[in-house]
Amino acid sequence: DAGVIQSPRHEVTEMGQEVTLRCKPISGHDYLFWYRQTMMRGLELLIYFNNNVPIDDSGMPEDRFSAKMPNASFSTLKIQPSEPRDSAVYFCASSSYWRASTEAFFGQGTRLTVV
Amino acid sequence: RKEVEQDPGPFNVPEGATVAFNCTYSNSASQSFFWYRQDCRKEPKLLMSVYSSGNEDGRFTAQLNRASQYISLLIRDSKLSDSATYLCVVTRDSNYQLIWGAGTKLIIKP
Repeated sequence: DAGVIQSPRHEVTEMGQEVTLRCKPISGHDYLFWYRQTMMRGLELLIYFNNNVPIDDSGMPEDRFSAKMPNASFSTLKIQPSEPRDSAVYFCASSSYWRASTEAFFGQGTRLTVV
Repeated sequence: RKEVEQDPGPFNVPEGATVAFNCTYSNSASQSFFWYRQDCRKEPKLLMSVYSSGNEDGRFTAQLNRASQYISLLIRDSKLSDSATYLCVVTRDSNYQLIWGAGTKLIIKP
């Protein structure tokens, strides 16, 4: 298996532009997570899905952020409009089930810079 | 107070030494515990789960102290390749959501 695949790996955009981050989870995994990591705040959970359904989006910072999972093999995280404070590394992770000793597999992340 | 707290470090340790660091958690009903490792500019990867009785994997030993609500990670005979940030992860009781510590940075020096 290729693991969790994220695209793009790097994104530089101007403030006010729309940004779309993409994720392909590991086949067969039914949980998908979007995280944001910064030096100041560490790793923060933004939202997670179970069987393509959003379960907890309390970590989504504001209405500018939205996430979708139209099918089991694809998810997007959209920021519109983007702001410089959104600059961070965004990770997608997937897991096969949600129990003790479950491992979350991460993609390589998207490094977003908003100028 | 953060739900999961770690000393950010960095811990500067000579190669071959033993190093240990702790992670405290505030929710006494937490169910599961993990250590993840994150190399610079890379994604986090599971290092080991932490079991109630403690567990060992080669040079790495993880311990859980429920009474004092902390977990620990001990690294023996440290290698240069152990340099990384070590993230403590705890699950909440209700929905097993992973709660992440901010990480402890470890630097092994030759």
